[in-house]
Amino acid sequence: TQLLEQSPQFLSIQEGENLTVYCNSSSVFSSLQWYRQEPGEGPVLLVTVVTGGEVKKLKRLTFQFGDARKDSSLHITAAQPGDTGLYLCAGAEGSTLGRLYFGRGTQLTVWP
Amino acid sequence: GAGVSQSPSNKVTEKGKDVELRCDPISGHTALYWYRQRLGQGLEFLIYFQGNSAPDKSGLPSDRFSAERTGESVSTLTIQRTQQEDSAVYLCASSLVRGGLNTDTQYFGPGTRLTVL
Repeated sequence: TQLLEQSPQFLSIQEGENLTVYCNSSSVFSSLQWYRQEPGEGPVLLVTVVTGGEVKKLKRLTFQFGDARKDSSLHITAAQPGDTGLYLCAGAEGSTLGRLYFGRGTQLTVWP
Repeated sequence: GAGVSQSPSNKVTEKGKDVELRCDPISGHTALYWYRQRLGQGLEFLIYFQGNSAPDKSGLPSDRFSAERTGESVSTLTIQRTQQEDSAVYLCASSLVRGGLNTDTQYFGPGTRLTVL
């Protein structure tokens, strides 16, 4: 059973389009992280959100943490081929250091 | 090197054999994690080490899996009597514990791809 459900599982779009990836759960998380993973490499942290309703921007990427801290979204504006990769969300239940619960990821392909 | 390193990068073994996977964390990182990533799946937590505390083994799928860590450095993940369902990429991550919070960044290695024939 996945604690975090990501959608869509696959996304294939043209360069310049906008997209949103969702990460949902019935559980409350103290923090939620978004990672990007490329083939043959480990995931790389993009952002951590902690406060319910928090919005963080990283260039063309906008991350939002739901008010109830059960869900999150990642919005990419004007996608580029370099954005291609597997996007993973991961949640922490407690505030102290420990395990993360990962979603299955969204495989994004941006065509030139 | 500056990052987390793992070895071997690829391992092919026969069903029933034991395997050892190695992780070298970033120097000074006291927290170390092992995850498993099956094809098309997210990361599945296996075990977590933090300093001298007892490791959190709650993610180990069976008693065939074990892990050790030498002080605050190298860790080895051992899988005994491997099964075909153990085939996956095994990822290691380390973290510099600042406030001891779950917001501390985990830095991942490139993983070891294990194939059990």
